[in-house]
Amino acid sequence: GQQVMQIPQYQHVQEGEDFTTYCNSSTTLSNIQWYKQRPGGHPVFLIQLVKSGEVKKQKRLTFQFGEAKKNSSLHITATQTTDVGTYFCAPSYGKLTFGQGTILTVHP
Amino acid sequence: DVKVTQSSRYLVKRTGEKVFLECVQDMDHENMFWYRQDPGLGLRLIYFSYDVKMKEKGDIPEGYSVSREKKERFSLILESASTNQTSMYLCASSETWGFTDTQYFGPGTRLTVL
Repeated sequence: GQQVMQIPQYQHVQEGEDFTTYCNSSTTLSNIQWYKQRPGGHPVFLIQLVKSGEVKKQKRLTFQFGEAKKNSSLHITATQTTDVGTYFCAPSYGKLTFGQGTILTVHP
Repeated sequence: DVKVTQSSRYLVKRTGEKVFLECVQDMDHENMFWYRQDPGLGLRLIYFSYDVKMKEKGDIPEGYSVSREKKERFSLILESASTNQTSMYLCASSETWGFTDTQYFGPGTRLTVL
């Protein structure tokens, strides 16, 4: 089936440092969603990107969709301890397919 | 707010038992999904349903079946549980026919098969 590569699998940062996770597909995507799962919780929708080159911001989070619609990134500026969790990209290949996720740990 | 509930947070079963995992959503959503989540593998789709009594296989349907007799309820069935089915099971729903609609997840059921 269709696959997406999400990197890195783990990221440990000091509070205040920036963080980026990347999602790469070998084929063109119609759109991509991002979800966050807090430790012990369930995935919660963050955002959807549809247009080529689209950039959306939510406070300290910046989401980008590549020009070719084959990759996407989530960047967090000045991480806080509340940012800990697993971030999943979910590209659409007709139906949503979740990436492996990036586990973010923030050290105070 | 959309609410998706699952019947149990934790479940322990023996190999060979028949296991039912129940999921209920209260927002009249058309689509419902069952995933399993394992470390390093992300969320993998087991089955989904786009209407009552309709079901489609996901990426890993082997060893599972589903039932959707009412719009709000979607059940995952393990006919004969095996140890490799120990996992976190997540149910989700989405509003419309387009599968790329936002998915709302339940709290999950952590199943251990001994």
